[in-house]
Amino acid sequence: NAGVTQTPKFRVLKTGQSMTLLCAQDMNHEYMYWYRQDPGMGLRLIHYSVGEGTTAKGEVPDGYNVSRLKKQNFLLGLESAAPSQTSVYFCASRKLSDRAVYEQYFGPGTRLTVT
Amino acid sequence: DAKTTQPPSMDCAEGRAANLPCNHSTISGNEYVYWYRQIHSQGPQYIIHGLKNNETNEMASLIITEDRKSSTLILPHATLRDTAVYYCIASRYAGKSTFGDGTTLTVKP
Repeated sequence: NAGVTQTPKFRVLKTGQSMTLLCAQDMNHEYMYWYRQDPGMGLRLIHYSVGEGTTAKGEVPDGYNVSRLKKQNFLLGLESAAPSQTSVYFCASRKLSDRAVYEQYFGPGTRLTVT
Repeated sequence: DAKTTQPPSMDCAEGRAANLPCNHSTISGNEYVYWYRQIHSQGPQYIIHGLKNNETNEMASLIITEDRKSSTLILPHATLRDTAVYYCIASRYAGKSTFGDGTTLTVKP
């Protein structure tokens, strides 16, 4: 199993450009998440999905959109990039469980710089 | 999620036990305590979780106080590879948790 993969690994954008980050997982997990991590800080939840076709806002959703058309993929879009969106973006997934087990599996991250 | 408080940094000698504290005084009865770590900007890695009882796995032990207001993650024999940022989270449901700033553990030779 590849686990959680993220594409691309690095990207530089100019202010106002758009892009889509792809997260893929091969573990058949129901839940998927997008986080951002600014330098020297913890992770903040942007959006999440509890299943195919459903998404919800996290702590810092402004400026981002997401889609979950397939169970294994979770896309994060930036419609008009801003320098404040320079960050490392992590995707994570976890299995649906009747227990509140919170073992998330994280991808390697996408390092995005907006100039 | 309950707010958690962790010291910003700690040092530990290689081979000794590392004890990382976490305060979660407002934790609810149905919220678990989870620990993750992040090694050098990689994606965070799950370590352990618990509700009331102490827990142990191949990576670490988790000690939760009887009143559940605080907990301690114990790495029994720290190695240089355990140098990382350790995050404590108190949460019940998926999708609403934010990882705080965590504790930077530095294991020294």
